[in-house]
Amino acid sequence: QQPVQSPQAVILREGEDAVINCSSSKALYSVHWYRQKHGEAPVFLMILLKGGEQKGHEKISASFNEKKQQSSLYLTASQLSYSGTYFCGTVESGGSNYKLTFGKGTLLTVNP
Amino acid sequence: SAVISQKPSRDICQRGTSLTIQCQVDSQVTMMFWYRQQPGQSLTLIATANQGSEATYESGFVIDKFPISRPNLTFSTLTVSNMSPEDSSIYLCSVGGGTTDNYTFGSGTRLTVV
Repeated sequence: QQPVQSPQAVILREGEDAVINCSSSKALYSVHWYRQKHGEAPVFLMILLKGGEQKGHEKISASFNEKKQQSSLYLTASQLSYSGTYFCGTVESGGSNYKLTFGKGTLLTVNP
Repeated sequence: SAVISQKPSRDICQRGTSLTIQCQVDSQVTMMFWYRQQPGQSLTLIATANQGSEATYESGFVIDKFPISRPNLTFSTLTVSNMSPEDSSIYLCSVGGGTTDNYTFGSGTRLTVV
């Protein structure tokens, strides 16, 4: 089941903050966040696990509400290098092959 | 994290022909995944390839169109068969060990079918 991301796009000025949301209709074991720049492969940012463990970057944080099956990615003091498309990927609880299903993505543009 | 070498990086192919994409991983991995990313779209899982067993295909993808080989724990190929312009996409392989691991992607193969 494809997770739903919002917003579809956001435009920021350098230094501003952004929040990207990801929700699923299925119980989740983990949520993964990736950033993809045009013409490049997705790059891992963050993983959030059932039970609250979080792994990722210092300047990018995220939350995972297991009960609501929702995750949010927080980008603070945005930099020009943050521009790209952000995808959340979800692994459903009870799955047998650790399939990662991606949302449709959020296009983030950071302007000077 | 594993490092994946994927090739070719891009190709332009005639309709009706086939293209085989290769992914080499620098470490042994149990599962490898193949994704398709159509222009401006998200990543869609084609199949999961485990060494020593048949690949598991997602809904909408069939083995005759996308045959996969997984001869060992560090290598896999995806063939796009009997291509049409609708197959023009970026194809990516990925490895990830489990629900607690991040998934690493190859650099992708940009395929254009004319």
